[in-house]
Amino acid sequence: AQSVTQLGSHVSVSEGALVLLRCNYSSSVPPYLFWYVQYPNQGLQLLLKYTTGATLVKGINGFEAEFKKSETSFHLTKPSAHMSDAAEYFCAVSDTGFQKLVFGTGTRLLVSP
Amino acid sequence: KAGVTQTPRYLIKTRGQQVTLSCSPISGHRSVSWYQQTPGQGLQFLFEYFSETQRNKGNFPGRFSGRQFSNSRSEMNVSTLELGDSALYLCASSTGTSGGSETQYFGPGTRLLVL
Repeated sequence: AQSVTQLGSHVSVSEGALVLLRCNYSSSVPPYLFWYVQYPNQGLQLLLKYTTGATLVKGINGFEAEFKKSETSFHLTKPSAHMSDAAEYFCAVSDTGFQKLVFGTGTRLLVSP
Repeated sequence: KAGVTQTPRYLIKTRGQQVTLSCSPISGHRSVSWYQQTPGQGLQFLFEYFSETQRNKGNFPGRFSGRQFSNSRSEMNVSTLELGDSALYLCASSTGTSGGSETQYFGPGTRLLVL
């Protein structure tokens, strides 16, 4: 079964610092990978996704992620954190034919001034 | 385009009662998926409906059920509520025609508290 592991339930950065949120997947075939963000009392918003093609994926709000098959990773980065980035971030994977997302446990990003 | 809407946003029930949650997908989307979010178990897939048929199902007991109407709106029902059913219930919509690569768009969720 597909699964994803997010290392670090909490990550703290200063405003302007690099953001790095880690995600590793478990799959025998290249999966579809997603990053979603959740702000308090809201649903999930898609940041970016990897399906096929270019392994460096650019998303909204300056985020990007790189699919590395050799490391089974799909880490999320942003060069410079902003206070508004404080939220919970979820990595997710889905199988080829299904509309079912399997989520990681989430990483709460804290941004200090 | 209007996003995914869910009603009600908040709900308080007591153990043993049943509850029905509603989800209206983005116009033109025919797939609706439901997820449960709790602090302990995280985000878990409940089921997916496409064109009024359940297409996928997660590992939840039979107390959790759903349906989809001809206009793609979906409802989920939980019978005989337990304290552990307290959660944020999220629905997501997509066209349902592109398999696992397709983006699912989430609603704001219904927060259910069982007392």
